[in-house]
Amino acid sequence: NAGVTQTPKFRVLKTGQSMTLLCAQDMNHEYMYWYRQDPGMGLRLIHYSVGEGTTAKGEVPDGYNVSRLKKQNFLLGLESAAPSQTSVYFCASSYSGHLETNYEQYFGPGTRLTVT
Amino acid sequence: GIQVEQSPPDLILQEGANSTLRCNFSDSVNNLQWFHQNPWGQLINLFYIPSGTKQNGRLSATTVATERYSLLYISSSQTTDSGVYFCAVGGFSGGYNKLIFGAGTRLAVHP
Repeated sequence: NAGVTQTPKFRVLKTGQSMTLLCAQDMNHEYMYWYRQDPGMGLRLIHYSVGEGTTAKGEVPDGYNVSRLKKQNFLLGLESAAPSQTSVYFCASSYSGHLETNYEQYFGPGTRLTVT
Repeated sequence: GIQVEQSPPDLILQEGANSTLRCNFSDSVNNLQWFHQNPWGQLINLFYIPSGTKQNGRLSATTVATERYSLLYISSSQTTDSGVYFCAVGGFSGGYNKLIFGAGTRLAVHP
């Protein structure tokens, strides 16, 4: 049981380039989330998904797109990277909050992205 | 929305000392988690504790949901305890399982 995994661990992009971050979970969780963490701050929610084929915006969605084609995978895309997107990105998953009594979110190891 | 306040913002300890970190939140919650982010950036899930008390080795946590605060106790601190401790609170709100992070307590343990 690997939990939540993220690919890649590190990446350097030039301004304007695109990339996709992959998150995978093997806990059969319905909900998945993408967060970003800027220096000296806590995590902020970018986008989330409540099930396969559904996505929604979080607190800081601008400049990102997401897709959830399979229940176990949640992809975060940057179409045209900007220096302001330099950050550490964390993926998380959980059971569906409104049906389960366990609201705990499980986090991946993070992806450190630098945009020059 | 829910506000999360952690104190103190910074803490310096000598190895072997005990400490208490506090998390105050502004509304009732279904979820409260404590995390340790180590100097390499890895986020480690310490406790899922929306109420009650839990212990794991030298660490323990207590959440008093009715009074809207949680405490994380670190006993006999070690240099490996250094890093940032985050409290995050939330629950099912607005159609999803929301989690709001505090700004963290930065802990440095010196030998």
